[in-house]
Amino acid sequence: GAGVSQSPSNKVTEKGKDVELRCDPISGHTALYWYRQSLGQGLEFLIYFQGNSAPDKSGLPSDRFSAERTGGSVSTLTIQRTQQEDSAVYLCASSSPGDIQYFGAGTRLSVL
Amino acid sequence: EDQVTQSPEALRLQEGESSSLNCSYTVSGLRGLFWYRQDPGKGPEFLFTLYSAGEEKEKERLKATLTKKESFLHITAPKPEDSATYLCAVQAPHLLQGKLIFGQGTELSVKP
Repeated sequence: GAGVSQSPSNKVTEKGKDVELRCDPISGHTALYWYRQSLGQGLEFLIYFQGNSAPDKSGLPSDRFSAERTGGSVSTLTIQRTQQEDSAVYLCASSSPGDIQYFGAGTRLSVL
Repeated sequence: EDQVTQSPEALRLQEGESSSLNCSYTVSGLRGLFWYRQDPGKGPEFLFTLYSAGEEKEKERLKATLTKKESFLHITAPKPEDSATYLCAVQAPHLLQGKLIFGQGTELSVKP
């Protein structure tokens, strides 16, 4: 069966440009999470979607970060005016509520 | 403050040399402790969930145990294919449902 799919796998951008990262969760999973993994750091929670409820954005590091989830399925994480410190691997996970989180392979973002 | 600390940061073993990885946690009430394996360039892969002190789970050469303050991942007679970064994460009732707090991981290298 299909797992969590993320695209692109790699993204190189210039400082100040906007980027969009996509996550396609496992079919039937109503919960979706975004995490960020910086070099030498643990996974850092960014945002959480559960069904049609308003997302929990408590982990977003700045107002340059936003995310949406259309139709309760695919999610897009947008970073505006990218900075070099945004360089990291962005991981998406999905689950049934309160259940095990299954992760995608991530998008490696490099801001030059 | 909720915190997860893993040790050692890196561990080098010879094939067949058993050892243990440690995950110490500080959280107000534990809902669950999770172990994941992460290979280079891939997302974390779920291994185990432990819910209460004294609980143990096994999978092939891996055995996870849990106390009120820490968890151990015991690796018996490891093989080179066990080389990966092992991540520990916790869930707690006061956190939003499903949010995981991760440690920084232990990078395991098993040499033939």
